Amino acid sequence: DAGVTQSPTHLIKTRGQQVTLRCSPKSGHDTVSWYQQALGQGPQFIFQYYEEEERQRGNFPDRFSGHQFPNYSSELNVNALLLGDSALYLCASSSGLAGIETQYFGPGTRLLVL
Amino acid sequence: AQKVTQAQTEISVVEKEDVTLDCVYETRDTTYYLFWYKQPPSGELVFLIRRNSFDEQNEISGRYSWNFQKSTSSFNFTITASQVVDSAVYFCALSEEIDFGNEKLTFGTGTRLTIIP
Repeated sequence: DAGVTQSPTHLIKTRGQQVTLRCSPKSGHDTVSWYQQALGQGPQFIFQYYEEEERQRGNFPDRFSGHQFPNYSSELNVNALLLGDSALYLCASSSGLAGIETQYFGPGTRLLVL
Repeated sequence: AQKVTQAQTEISVVEKEDVTLDCVYETRDTTYYLFWYKQPPSGELVFLIRRNSFDEQNEISGRYSWNFQKSTSSFNFTITASQVVDSAVYFCALSEEIDFGNEKLTFGTGTRLTIIP
């Protein structure tokens, strides 16, 4: 049973560029959440996708956008990168059918903005 | 607004010692869930346990145990007879159900646990 997978594992970009991160959920899961984890901090919720729609959003600017595909995989896009966007980006998947379900996390994508 | 506080930034203990990681939470809801995750150096968050607000029974899983006390809004995690493989950053998290479906997790800042051989 494959767990949550993310790609790429590492990424280096320069300020102003755009980046796309990808996530495939755990088998049987239909909900994907994205989190940003700055160095030495706990993960911060960015947004959540269910049935190809953004269901919830954290306190992040519109430069952060996402998408969910019919196969439940998801992308996180960040435009006009800032130095402060350097972080570990974590994807979590869960089942959206029955109330609060445990979120299972992928290995993350480490983004460095220079 | 919900909040999770992990006051212990770093803890170091010698192998085989017991260690307790503290977690205090704030929420206005009566229905909520608490979680503990482990983050090894690889970065992936590993799920350890989930408890709902109506179940205050303590839980034990091998060397791990959890003490949930609503009266003090705490959900502490104890590792008995610690091992070097327990070295990691541990996060406590809170989830509230605002409407039907999965809700966001609010994490604490984590406790870095180092087990000294």
